[in-house]
Amino acid sequence: DTGVSQNPRHKITKRGQNVTFRCDPISEHNRLYWYRQTLGQGPEFLTYFQNEAQLEKSRLLSDRFSAERPKGSFSTLEIQRTEQGDSAMYLCASSLGLAGATDTQYFGPGTRLTVL
Amino acid sequence: GNSVTQMEGPVTLSEEAFLTINCTYTATGYPSLFWYVQYPGEGLQLLLKATKADDKGSNKGFEATYRKETTSFHLEKGSVQVSDSAVYFCALSEGGSTLGRLYFGRGTQLTVWP
Repeated sequence: DTGVSQNPRHKITKRGQNVTFRCDPISEHNRLYWYRQTLGQGPEFLTYFQNEAQLEKSRLLSDRFSAERPKGSFSTLEIQRTEQGDSAMYLCASSLGLAGATDTQYFGPGTRLTVL
Repeated sequence: GNSVTQMEGPVTLSEEAFLTINCTYTATGYPSLFWYVQYPGEGLQLLLKATKADDKGSNKGFEATYRKETTSFHLEKGSVQVSDSAVYFCALSEGGSTLGRLYFGRGTQLTVWP
């Protein structure tokens, strides 16, 4: 069990550019979550997947944000036309997602995005 | 709606002092409650959880009791160590299930001095 991994760990981009982040969950975890954390705040939910299906999206996820989990394994989060307000730590978490069982979300180290 | 309110930090203590970090919540239905910890340079880790009223979660000397009557889940430790220095987040998941999105508080920075 290698834990949840995220790449890249840091990304610096200019306003208006597109960026894509990748999350590799713990193997056999059915659920995958994306959160965003800004300085001095707790993580805020963005979206989550059950296998390849995207089941819920937060209103924080504007049209410029899109997430995929094409084969129910890794996931990507893309931000188009980045804005300075997108600067944050983007966190990925995964869990077994078994109904009726006690579920625990395991978090990755995050990708820190800086938009200049 | 669902929300979590944590005591403002930072909290600074001497080693072996008693720790309390207050957490209250607002939720529809009966949430599950969590404490996560973030050590410097590391990702969030689950510290403890409780899934129903009066449950006590415990781990590494930390404890928290799910109090439905006061909508609280305060974190306590009897004797803190320097290695406990971290940011602590209270969180909930709605509907009595540990499945689903988490709602986090703002976090409380704890620094323990030797």
